[in-house]
Amino acid sequence: DTEVTQTPKHLVMGMTNKKSLKCEQHMGHRAMYWYKQKAKKPPELMFVYSYEKLSINESVPSRFSPECPNSSLLNLHLHALQPEDSALYLCASSQGSGGGETQYFGPGTRLLVL
Amino acid sequence: GEDVEQSLFLSVREGDSSVINCTYTDSSSTYLYWYKQEPGAGLQLLTYIFSNMDMKQDQRLTVLLNKKDKHLSLRIADTQTGDSAIYFCAVGTSGGSYIPTFGRGTSLIVHP
Repeated sequence: DTEVTQTPKHLVMGMTNKKSLKCEQHMGHRAMYWYKQKAKKPPELMFVYSYEKLSINESVPSRFSPECPNSSLLNLHLHALQPEDSALYLCASSQGSGGGETQYFGPGTRLLVL
Repeated sequence: GEDVEQSLFLSVREGDSSVINCTYTDSSSTYLYWYKQEPGAGLQLLTYIFSNMDMKQDQRLTVLLNKKDKHLSLRIADTQTGDSAIYFCAVGTSGGSYIPTFGRGTSLIVHP
């Protein structure tokens, strides 16, 4: 099973709302990632968790707050977002994060900020 | 850092072969991936090749790697309308954190 699941599939939120995106994998992978993807663009890395610890934060604004409750789950908490944050948010996982690890992506959450 | 380039569009007729090209700049790149993204969907890993290989074939897909020119290609034989998607090349190196660099993606349009 090489499946990464994400919920919700779609999310519409106002600029004052607080919401969370969820990602889950049961492949025993120890690295998990959040990416942001705008239309017709490649995914842009936001965060990397390795063994449940945040290892990379690509200078993401604090209105995005990641959380890794356990090795199978990854959340992205959203607060006071801006319309330009509307995008497809992709979660990925890999066996480890030591180089050469194949990433498996979820289907994404399409976020619209009004 | 690594720079990965792809042409933006490719249009082919159904039944023909498609060749999507990718170039990269870091000669220490070790792991090279092809992902497919259909409209509104996530990225699906299609295939990958390691730098100690020149070619990899998987059913209708053939990956060719020219390390000297730092050029990677994906050939899709007997292209079907269901192959219409954006194809991303991603390149990574061994050691340290594995963060692949993605190309901009090639939109493949298959017409009857």
